[in-house]
Amino acid sequence: AQTVTQSQPEMSVQEAETVTLSCTYDTSESDYYLFWYKQPPSRQMILVIRQEAYKQQNATENRFSVNFQKAAKSFSLKISDSQLGDAAMYFCASGAGSYQLTFGKGTKLSVIP
Amino acid sequence: DTGVSQDPRHKITKRGQNVTFRCDPISEHNRLYWYRQTLGQGPEFLTYFQNEAQLEKSRLLSDRFSAERPKGSFSTLEIQRTEQGDSAMYLCASKQGTSTDTQYFGPGTRLTVL
Repeated sequence: AQTVTQSQPEMSVQEAETVTLSCTYDTSESDYYLFWYKQPPSRQMILVIRQEAYKQQNATENRFSVNFQKAAKSFSLKISDSQLGDAAMYFCASGAGSYQLTFGKGTKLSVIP
Repeated sequence: DTGVSQDPRHKITKRGQNVTFRCDPISEHNRLYWYRQTLGQGPEFLTYFQNEAQLEKSRLLSDRFSAERPKGSFSTLEIQRTEQGDSAMYLCASKQGTSTDTQYFGPGTRLTVL
């Protein structure tokens, strides 16, 4: 069984600044994957970044990076140089093998011009 | 590039009616997932298919819900005798066969039961 917890229902960031979204998880799987998905208002969910649990190096995709702390079961998302288009719901999710993803409740990110 | 598509995008129905949603996955993806997302929540797993075989169903999938994936291509999700509690966004996702691949989501079907 997997659980994912996002403790920040809402966050805001000034345009061009940096923001970090928190996520903790629990899993009984030894081989698993972690994801951050973005869901803009009335638009479909898209992948932001993914991390394989066996990799020690933190994943990076342009302005998005993660801080993966395996022992602490923590997987935070850092967004640098925030842009207006980053405003959305962000969901942290875990998955293993062919199985379904388990999502957190999401963090609503607002970007202030 | 044809991503995951879902039809209809919106459905309004009266309580007690049956509804059916369709999902067309990315063509080479053999795994297809259905999720339900209610307001203020993350998506919750309903069921998944590998090719035409339905391999897992969540306890959220009551006997009023049925899903099919004939010929391992598109999938349908039917809800019989809809209830107001069925109002939600129904999301479909697909992925390649290997365990390392990412699930790609469709735009969802928003169901409103009056």
